[in-house]
Amino acid sequence: LAKTTQPISMDSYEGQEVNITCSHNNIATNDYITWYQQFPSQGPRFIIQGYKTKVTNEVASLFIPADRKSSTLSLPRVSLSDTAVYYCLPGRDTGRRALTFGSGTRLQVQP
Amino acid sequence: SAVISQKPSRDICQRGTSLTIQCQVDSQVTMMFWYRQQPGQSLTLIATANQGSEATYESGFVIDKFPISRPNLTFSTLTVSNMSPEDSSIYLCSVGDNEQFFGPGTRLTVL
Repeated sequence: LAKTTQPISMDSYEGQEVNITCSHNNIATNDYITWYQQFPSQGPRFIIQGYKTKVTNEVASLFIPADRKSSTLSLPRVSLSDTAVYYCLPGRDTGRRALTFGSGTRLQVQP
Repeated sequence: SAVISQKPSRDICQRGTSLTIQCQVDSQVTMMFWYRQQPGQSLTLIATANQGSEATYESGFVIDKFPISRPNLTFSTLTVSNMSPEDSSIYLCSVGDNEQFFGPGTRLTVL
């Protein structure tokens, strides 16, 4: 399993764009990169998944460089409700396999 | 998507007792997992709950301490046996398909 490194915490203000970068230097060729979000007192929920280049959905964008040794989750114009812990998880078939969570990044959005 | 409920949502227990946590899914799923999240920490996989056979436990978790049942494709239980204060955690179940869905968690406090 690819080991991940993320900032432990980040602070932002409402309306700003937040970029969270995750390093996964030994990612396997077949691994996708999946990001999960966990609000306080809730279970994690899937945000976005990608293999390379850029993926965008209604919640976030995911940027993956050509060497795939890192990925950046981009949250446009954050609000207070985006305060959560964000986890990046490289792996295959992450829907059907047990997940290995790293320490994640605790994002605090302030007014 | 899958909707997952857990019972109880929280409990306070005395050391030496046992607590059984239920996980109910609104659809049939093949893969079901149990995780533990200690205060301020990330999620750690306890076991994979297999329907019709014994659960598969991760290193550091044993069946005598965390017996798991999976009688059908929509339901599973995790029992935390002979509890000690170190077992105080949030226990989450998840189910896997194209992505993993997590239950809301059971917050356990052992006195």
